[in-house]
Amino acid sequence: DADVTQTPRNRITKTGKRIMLECSQTKGHDRMYWYRQDPGLGLRLIYYSFDVKDINKGEISDGYSVSRQAQAKFSLSLESAIPNQTALYFCATSAAGVREQFFGPGTRLTVL
Amino acid sequence: QKEVEQDPGPLSVPEGAIVSLNCTYSNSAFQYFMWYRQYSRKGPELLMYTYSSGNKEDGRFTAQVDKSSKYISLFIRDSQPSDSATYLCAPRRSGGGADGLTFGKGTHLIIQP
Repeated sequence: DADVTQTPRNRITKTGKRIMLECSQTKGHDRMYWYRQDPGLGLRLIYYSFDVKDINKGEISDGYSVSRQAQAKFSLSLESAIPNQTALYFCATSAAGVREQFFGPGTRLTVL
Repeated sequence: QKEVEQDPGPLSVPEGAIVSLNCTYSNSAFQYFMWYRQYSRKGPELLMYTYSSGNKEDGRFTAQVDKSSKYISLFIRDSQPSDSATYLCAPRRSGGGADGLTFGKGTHLIIQP
């Protein structure tokens, strides 16, 4: 089944550690996105990519970086994790010209 | 003023009630008005969307947009416990490019059996 997968699903780490969250999709979509979700703040866009050579900052990109390794893979890195990056992280995809976004199951990240 | 405002709730209603979920927005360039539903521990999924002003009905769900007042509504008739979820509004601009990828904070809805 076409799908958006995220690894890991849960991660606990310590302040200062480097963390990578990975997203893969089998939908054949060109566009990929990273969001974080916090209670009371909703979904906020971190980075998005409209194709392999296109990377754009979103609303809250400070402290994060991304890599689009292939059409199907989009990784999010926290170079030096801090406690206020504790959140639920979602990857999403969409096809060009189609506004529906398809979300992965999320990664729950805790930074101690 | 934030681009999209949505009351986070929680909103608790008895089974069978009519539910009204609402958002307001500030950007008059928004043309598509989407509603996503998110169950606990899951990613959001598109429930339905409308284009420009007017109503759209899909089963027990009706989406309504009033562009003159920048007000978006989702109505759920004959609400069921399975409708318990967080509902996020997501208005979008027309055209390509950066799609104004903003979501409302989401309203947590609880349907009591």
